[in-house]
Amino acid sequence: NAGVTQTPKFRILKIGQSMTLQCTQDMNHNYMYWYRQDPGMGLKLIYYSVGAGITDKGEVPNGYNVSRSTTEDFPLRLELAAPSQTSVYFCASSYSGGRETQYFGPGTRLLVL
Amino acid sequence: GENVEQHPSTLSVQEGDSAVIKCTYSDSASNYFPWYKQELGKGPQLIIDIRSNVGEKKDQRIAVTLNKTAKHFSLHITETQPEDSAVYFCAADSGNTPLVFGKGTRLSVIA
Repeated sequence: NAGVTQTPKFRILKIGQSMTLQCTQDMNHNYMYWYRQDPGMGLKLIYYSVGAGITDKGEVPNGYNVSRSTTEDFPLRLELAAPSQTSVYFCASSYSGGRETQYFGPGTRLLVL
Repeated sequence: GENVEQHPSTLSVQEGDSAVIKCTYSDSASNYFPWYKQELGKGPQLIIDIRSNVGEKKDQRIAVTLNKTAKHFSLHITETQPEDSAVYFCAADSGNTPLVFGKGTRLSVIA
């Protein structure tokens, strides 16, 4: 199993551009999550999904959109990128809810200039 | 909602010494408390967890203690080694919302 994979690893965006961060898991997990980690800070939940077709907002959803059309994929869309979205983005998955281990991807480093 | 405070934010210890990281939580309904380790350039990885029906759990050099009355839990690493250097996150889950993470502790083990 590859686990949780994320692409790209690194991206530079100009202010106002849009992009999609890709996340795929091959563990047949129901739950998937997107976090952002600012320098020296903890993990903030952006969006999560409890299954295909179901998504919900986390702590910091503004400026982002998600979709979950399949169990495996959970892309994160940035519309109109802003410098405040410069961060490292982690995707994670778990078999079920909070008491289950979350498996994290390697992260996508995004720089908005 | 749940709020998790983690201290200290940075910690330096000599190799072979012990390290202790402490967390407090606010929601008395929380009953699952995992700890994640994040090595440089990687995503966090679960290292140990504890549920509310036990007060302590050990796994080799790592132990976690839980005090539900005081709403705090701690990670103890004994005989620290350079490979223990990383950022450690505590988290809490009440079952109603996804895990809430602390802000992390950067542990440096000095050889």
